[in-house]
Amino acid sequence: GQQLNQSPQSMFIQEGEDVSMNCTSSSIFNTWLWYKQDPGEGPVLLIALYKAGELTSNGRLTAQFGITRKDSFLNISASIPSDVGIYFCAGQLDDKIIFGKGTRLHILP
Amino acid sequence: DVKVTQSSRYLVKRTGEKVFLECVQDMDHENMFWYRQDPGLGLRLIYFSYDVKMKEKGDIPEGYSVSREKKERFSLILESASTNQTSMYLCASRGLAGVEQFFGPGTRLTVL
Repeated sequence: GQQLNQSPQSMFIQEGEDVSMNCTSSSIFNTWLWYKQDPGEGPVLLIALYKAGELTSNGRLTAQFGITRKDSFLNISASIPSDVGIYFCAGQLDDKIIFGKGTRLHILP
Repeated sequence: DVKVTQSSRYLVKRTGEKVFLECVQDMDHENMFWYRQDPGLGLRLIYFSYDVKMKEKGDIPEGYSVSREKKERFSLILESASTNQTSMYLCASRGLAGVEQFFGPGTRLTVL
């Protein structure tokens, strides 16, 4: 079946550093979504991408829908302590959505 | 403020017990989903429902069943709980025309 490869699995960074994570797939998607899960909560949508090549920003977050429709990345600039959590990518084709395994972000004091 | 609520944040059950996890959404969404989340495995879809009384198997339905008698409520049932069903369970809902799934806070289930 379809699978998403999300990397890295976890990251340890210093506050103020930039962060980059990505998802790749062997299948194409019509929509890419990026969610964040705070500790003890359910995931919340950060950014939705609807078109190949689309680059979208939400504050310090920037995400892109890959031109091949098989990949997407998420960048976080100037990380702050509240960025800690698990970030999930999700690819959607018609009614089917598949989630990546998540990138756990740790921020060192 | 839109909301998906789950009946319990933490639950401890014994092997063989029947377990009900309840999820309610107040957004009049047609689609509802149950996932389990395990470290290193991400979110895996157990069951989903497109409408009242409709249900579809997800990727890991074995050992689970669901019930959707009302539009706002989607229940996950573990007929006979086993230790390998210890996990975080997340419910989500989505509108017919939308892409975003709205998640509940999760129920952390421990089966002893």
